[in-house]
Amino acid sequence: QQPVQSPQAVILREGEDAVINCSSSKALYSVHWYRQKHGEAPVFLMILLKGGEQKGHEKISASFNEKKQQSSLYLTASQLSYSGTYFCGSLSGSNYKLTFGKGTLLTVNP
Amino acid sequence: DAGVIQSPRHEVTEMGQEVTLRCKPISGHDYLFWYRQTMMRGLELLIYFNNNVPIDDSGMPEDRFSAKMPNASFSTLKIQPSEPRDSAVYFCASTLGAGFTDTQYFGPGTRLTVL
Repeated sequence: QQPVQSPQAVILREGEDAVINCSSSKALYSVHWYRQKHGEAPVFLMILLKGGEQKGHEKISASFNEKKQQSSLYLTASQLSYSGTYFCGSLSGSNYKLTFGKGTLLTVNP
Repeated sequence: DAGVIQSPRHEVTEMGQEVTLRCKPISGHDYLFWYRQTMMRGLELLIYFNNNVPIDDSGMPEDRFSAKMPNASFSTLKIQPSEPRDSAVYFCASTLGAGFTDTQYFGPGTRLTVL
């Protein structure tokens, strides 16, 4: 089943923060986050494993709440380069099939 | 490494024609995935291979779609006959293993337009 992402879209001014959520109705083993710019391929950001760990990449970090079966992506002090569509992909079982959410369109304006 | 390579980057064809999309995975990667991306349905997995063997093709929409991987460095996705609703961006991705921490690396995609 496809994970549900929220919000569907968000508009920020440079320097503002944003949170993108990814929820699943199935037990999650890991969540993969990708960013896709218009007309380009999805680019890997980070992987979260069940266990509630947090990870960070520059000013982008993420958490995994196993109880809620939810992962959140935190973008701090956003930059223009953060603009794009963010996808979460969930792995729920032994079959290695990433199921992607529909994406969150993030626009950062000057 | 050159990354995942796909060709062509753009394809425009007429309904009923055969379309073949090509993919070269990253050298040494054992898994290859074909995805389709549309506005309506997002990024959908069509099929994936492990060591050139198809493992799961449950995402292939219908018999008009077929995929092969004759060797570790080449895969094709064929649509015959093509229909306008097949218009989408098709991505190929590869990964080293099948663990929960293995990253999928995407190719640049093929934008298919069926008139």
